[in-house]
Amino acid sequence: ELKVEQNPLFLSMQEGKNYTIYCNYSTTSDRLYWYRQDPGKSLESLFVLLSNGAVKQEGRLMASLDTKARLSTLHITAAVHDLSATYFCAVEESVGTYKYIFGTGTRLKVLA
Amino acid sequence: DAGITQSPRYKITETGRQVTLMCHQTWSHSYMFWYRQDLGHGLRLIYYSAAADITDKGEVPDGYVVSRSKTENFPLTLESATRSQTSVYFCASSKGRGLEAFFGQGTRLTVV
Repeated sequence: ELKVEQNPLFLSMQEGKNYTIYCNYSTTSDRLYWYRQDPGKSLESLFVLLSNGAVKQEGRLMASLDTKARLSTLHITAAVHDLSATYFCAVEESVGTYKYIFGTGTRLKVLA
Repeated sequence: DAGITQSPRYKITETGRQVTLMCHQTWSHSYMFWYRQDLGHGLRLIYYSAAADITDKGEVPDGYVVSRSKTENFPLTLESATRSQTSVYFCASSKGRGLEAFFGQGTRLTVV
């Protein structure tokens, strides 16, 4: 059974600082997704990572995938207040299924 | 309106009652999902569907029933609501494997 873990669960950081959120998963998969959720809102897609070594960047966020280590990272560069949100990774369970399992989320607060 | 919509947005029901949450998407996406979101658990998959008349159990299916007679609709029914089913429910759809999912605005369900 696929398990997806994120750490840290909570992250408070100063504006301008860099930090990384980690997403570990327990079984083989080569499809990983990152989503953002603002308080009281729905989820919006940030990145889709489809192969080992995949790297995607959008603004101050960069996501990568290491399928051998079963690890994805979401790196935040020079954080700004607008990045405050909860970030989720989701992993597609095994090849041939379309079952997406989410991590518990990382709640990020960027302090001005 | 184009997109994915859930109804109702808010619902209060009594223990033991049957309640149905509706989900409608206008993209003709093949895949649809139901998740529940609870503090400390992130999003947990209840049921998912690859096409009309094809549904599968997710992580937490007990107490829920789904159907998908048409591609665009994916209703979720709580047959006999319990307080533990108080949660925020999100419906999502995706065009295919390896593609991002799009989420509805959520339904906040309270069982009293």
